[in-house]
Amino acid sequence: AQKITQTQPGMFVQEKEAVTLDCTYDTSDPSYGLFWYKQPSSGEMIFLIYQGSYDQQNATEGRYSLNFQKARKSANLVISASQLGDSAMYFCAMREGEYGNKLVFGAGTILRVKS
Amino acid sequence: KAGVTQTPRYLIKTRGQQVTLSCSPISGHRSVSWYQQTPGQGLQFLFEYFSETQRNKGNFPGRFSGRQFSNSRSEMNVSTLELGDSALYLCASSSRTGPFSVLTFGAGSRLTVL
Repeated sequence: AQKITQTQPGMFVQEKEAVTLDCTYDTSDPSYGLFWYKQPSSGEMIFLIYQGSYDQQNATEGRYSLNFQKARKSANLVISASQLGDSAMYFCAMREGEYGNKLVFGAGTILRVKS
Repeated sequence: KAGVTQTPRYLIKTRGQQVTLSCSPISGHRSVSWYQQTPGQGLQFLFEYFSETQRNKGNFPGRFSGRQFSNSRSEMNVSTLELGDSALYLCASSSRTGPFSVLTFGAGSRLTVL
């Protein structure tokens, strides 16, 4: 069965510094997709970045990059130049297989950016 | 382009009642998925609809049901509410399914069961 593990319940980072949020996954399916979502206190889930299992390069979206290490089954999110507005809950999620939109989520990491 | 719209945003029910939540996907999106978020269990998949057909269902009791209409709008229903059903219910839509599709979530419906 597929599983997502986020081992950091909470993280602090100084404004303007970079931070890495950890995510490891487990699946036996050769085709899968990995996602990171941000959830501010308002509750809405905001899509940040996506990495496909067959992608050769690490995904990047503005200040977000995904450090994808397939052999280690890890998909860490790197946020560069942290901003106060980055304070939120961050979820790593995985879709297993070629079809469907069922995501399995990790427990999440609360990120607090300090000024 | 309007996002995913969920109604109502907040609601309070009592045990034994039923509730219906609505989700209007982004225009053109045909896939709608529902998730339950609680402090204890985290985010859990409820079900997914594509072109009015349920494609996948999570491990929830039969009290949880859903449907999708021809305009892709979706509803989920919870009957005989229990205290443990108190949660944030999130709906997500996508233009397609498969490895390259990205789910866009709504702001959620926060249900409190008393």
